[in-house]
Amino acid sequence: EDQVTQSPEALRLQEGESSSLNCSYTVSGLRGLFWYRQDPGKGPEFLFTLYSAGEEKEKERLKATLTKKESFLHITAPKPEDSATYLCAAYSGNTGKLIFGQGTTLQVKP
Amino acid sequence: KAGVTQTPRYLIKTRGQQVTLSCSPISGHRSVSWYQQTPGQGLQFLFEYFSETQRNKGNFPGRFSGRQFSNSRSEMNVSTLELGDSALYLCASSPLGSMNTEAFFGQGTRLTVV
Repeated sequence: EDQVTQSPEALRLQEGESSSLNCSYTVSGLRGLFWYRQDPGKGPEFLFTLYSAGEEKEKERLKATLTKKESFLHITAPKPEDSATYLCAAYSGNTGKLIFGQGTTLQVKP
Repeated sequence: KAGVTQTPRYLIKTRGQQVTLSCSPISGHRSVSWYQQTPGQGLQFLFEYFSETQRNKGNFPGRFSGRQFSNSRSEMNVSTLELGDSALYLCASSPLGSMNTEAFFGQGTRLTVV
């Protein structure tokens, strides 16, 4: 069964304290791995798409990487405005479905 | 460029009633997907419509249905509402479908069933 698991469920960081969020997946025929950011009461906001192992993408303080079994979202020197829930999703080319993880809720304290 | 618009934003219904939610995708996008988000289950895929045809369906009962119009606007209907249907319903649009590019989400409709 296709599955996406994110860890940790919650993460508290001090401003400037770098860390990584993990997304493990078992998806048949992976055709894309997506990262989203979701603020309370809002819809998810697209961050990155990764298509093949070894691929990396960066945006400001965020960097996403992909291996054959997992993806990481690295946050460098986070700021309080980075506080949000980060969702990862894997698209299965076999089933045509986008499967989301449960998310990691990040809180960055000043 | 206007984003994905979902209406209404909030809805309160009674058990047994039915409800219709609306989603207007980004102009030019032909794919609309619907998701249910709850604290316990996270984001779960309901169905995807592409050019007025249902292209994919998640594991939800037949009480959940949808359709897409020629202008790509989509509606989702839930009949015989149950308390467990209380959730944030999100729709996402993409040019061709989730496999090709990112999906852009609307703000969601918060449905409360009492």
